[in-house]
Amino acid sequence: ELKVEQNPLFLSMQEGKNYTIYCNYSTTSDRLYWYRQDPGKSLESLFVLLSNGAVKQEGRLMASLDTKARLSTLHITAAVHDLSATYFCAVDLAGGTSYGKLTFGQGTILTVHP
Amino acid sequence: NAGVTQTPKFRILKIGQSMTLQCTQDMNHNYMYWYRQDPGMGLKLIYYSVGAGITDKGEVPNGYNVSRSTTEDFPLRLELAAPSQTSVYFCASSYGDGYEQYFGPGTRLTVT
Repeated sequence: ELKVEQNPLFLSMQEGKNYTIYCNYSTTSDRLYWYRQDPGKSLESLFVLLSNGAVKQEGRLMASLDTKARLSTLHITAAVHDLSATYFCAVDLAGGTSYGKLTFGQGTILTVHP
Repeated sequence: NAGVTQTPKFRILKIGQSMTLQCTQDMNHNYMYWYRQDPGMGLKLIYYSVGAGITDKGEVPNGYNVSRSTTEDFPLRLELAAPSQTSVYFCASSYGDGYEQYFGPGTRLTVT
């Protein structure tokens, strides 16, 4: 059974600081996704990582994937209040056609304060 | 494009009642999914479909049924609602393997 664990589960950051959210998963996969969810809202796709060593950046967020370590990171640079949200990683089973069935982590609740 | 739409937005059911959650996408995606999200948790896959007429169970299918008669629509049926089905339900669609999923706005369901 594929397990996906995020840490930390709660993250309180000051504006302007840097931090990293970690996503570990238990079985072989080379497809990992990051989503953002604002309170009471739906999920919005942030990044799709499809190979070992993949790195993607958008604004103050950068995601990377290490399939050997079964680890993805979401790095936040110079946090601003608008980044306050819940961040989920999700993993797709490797090897051929998985039909996009995702296993989600528990989510990391990020709060950025002045 | 409207993307993925869901109705209703909110619903309160009594124990033992049934209902259908509607989901429609206008992106011509073959893959569609139903998830539930319990408070403070990640999403769990209920059912998925890879095309019209093809559906399969996800991680938590008990108490639910689905059908997919068209590419656009993927309704989720709850039979004999139970308090354990109180949750937020999200429908999603994608182009295929390795592509991001687009999520609908969600249906907040309470069973009392």
